[in-house]
Amino acid sequence: EDKVVQSPLSLVVHEGDTVTLNCSYEVTNFRSLLWYKQEKKAPTFLFMLTSSGIEKKSGRLSSILDKKELSSILNITATQTGDSAIYLCAGGDNQGGKLIFGQGTELSVKP
Amino acid sequence: DSGVTQTPKHLITATGQRVTLRCSPRSGDLSVYWYQQSLDQGLQFLIQYYNGEERAKGNILERFSAQQFPDLHSELNLSSLELGDSALYFCASSRWGAGTYEQYFGPGTRLTVT
Repeated sequence: EDKVVQSPLSLVVHEGDTVTLNCSYEVTNFRSLLWYKQEKKAPTFLFMLTSSGIEKKSGRLSSILDKKELSSILNITATQTGDSAIYLCAGGDNQGGKLIFGQGTELSVKP
Repeated sequence: DSGVTQTPKHLITATGQRVTLRCSPRSGDLSVYWYQQSLDQGLQFLIQYYNGEERAKGNILERFSAQQFPDLHSELNLSSLELGDSALYFCASSRWGAGTYEQYFGPGTRLTVT
């Protein structure tokens, strides 16, 4: 059965810290790994990764996929209180494209 | 704002009842996905439609059904509701129907079954 596992499940840091969120996946006919941020409402899209070893960056956030290890990481540097949210990782296949989500990592950034 | 709209925002109903949730995808998107988010199960894929046709099915209960209309909006019908159906229901849309592409989520419908 397809599965996505995230770690840690929760994390508390202080502003300015750098954090690394982990995601491992087992998805049949895997095509892409997606990261979303959820703040008490709808998940908002962050990154989609399809190629191994190529880093995607957006401001202080970056992510990379390792297809050999079936894993991905999301890095957030110089964290701010506005980064507090649940970060969701999802694996997608090359069929219809349904997403299999992990449990999420709840990040809390303290001032 | 993702461009995906969902109505209603909140729905409170009694066990045994039937409800319909509505979703309009982003302009130009042909695929609509329905997901259920509950505290114990997380975000779970229910069903996908692409250009009016069912494309993929997840662990969707037989009491639940969906359709996508010619104008590409979609409806999720939930019947014989049980307390355990209380959850946040999200619709997402993407441009294509095959392979995984960015999916953009609507604001969700919070369903409470009493």
